[in-house]
Amino acid sequence: ETGVTQTPRHLVMGMTNKKSLKCEQHLGHNAMYWYKQSAKKPLELMFVYSLEERVENNSVPSRFSPECPNSSHLFLHLHTLQPEDSALYLCASSQSRGHEQYFGPGTRLTVT
Amino acid sequence: DQQVKQNSPSLSVQEGRISILNCDYTNSMFDYFLWYKKYPAEGPTFLISISSIKDKNEDGRFTVFLNKSAKHLSLHIVPSQPGDSAVYFCAASAYQTGANNLFFGTGTRLTVIP
Repeated sequence: ETGVTQTPRHLVMGMTNKKSLKCEQHLGHNAMYWYKQSAKKPLELMFVYSLEERVENNSVPSRFSPECPNSSHLFLHLHTLQPEDSALYLCASSQSRGHEQYFGPGTRLTVT
Repeated sequence: DQQVKQNSPSLSVQEGRISILNCDYTNSMFDYFLWYKKYPAEGPTFLISISSIKDKNEDGRFTVFLNKSAKHLSLHIVPSQPGDSAVYFCAASAYQTGANNLFFGTGTRLTVIP
């Protein structure tokens, strides 16, 4: 595997379900990010981890819970989501002092 | 309030001609700017970047121009090819508590007509 991978690629879940999104980077980076992309909106930064420590949490509802067990893996735990949470969720990585972020293919989430 | 704006949602260009994509920003603290390209069902792919201390950066068919006084940057693609058809995102970077955070525009869909 190379670059940034995300699983699953597609997810349909009910509002009462609990699921997790997984991201793995194979680039030797030490910062990882979660973004949300909704239709006709810019990418919204949700969480930033640098050196496995959360450094940014952009007022994201608590039904989204990130986890970064090491510098290569990032999770987004989901529970009791709302239909408006349906979106493309993108993971990215970079060097903590680098500007270029490298993105995974995203998880298309649909909440029913 | 959106800090990075791409006011043209779409652009169509003939193959072989120049494509010019524009981006405006409002925050003077941004010190680095990037362009990403996105195909359907894929994540954004880094294309080219420019530091705020420069006004031009060129990489093959792609050139990015930065006008700091106008808070404006543009991406020129010449000659345009059908494979360049994609959504292009402008992003601006600011260092905040441990990492460089990117602020994105809404994207411009480029269609290159063969």
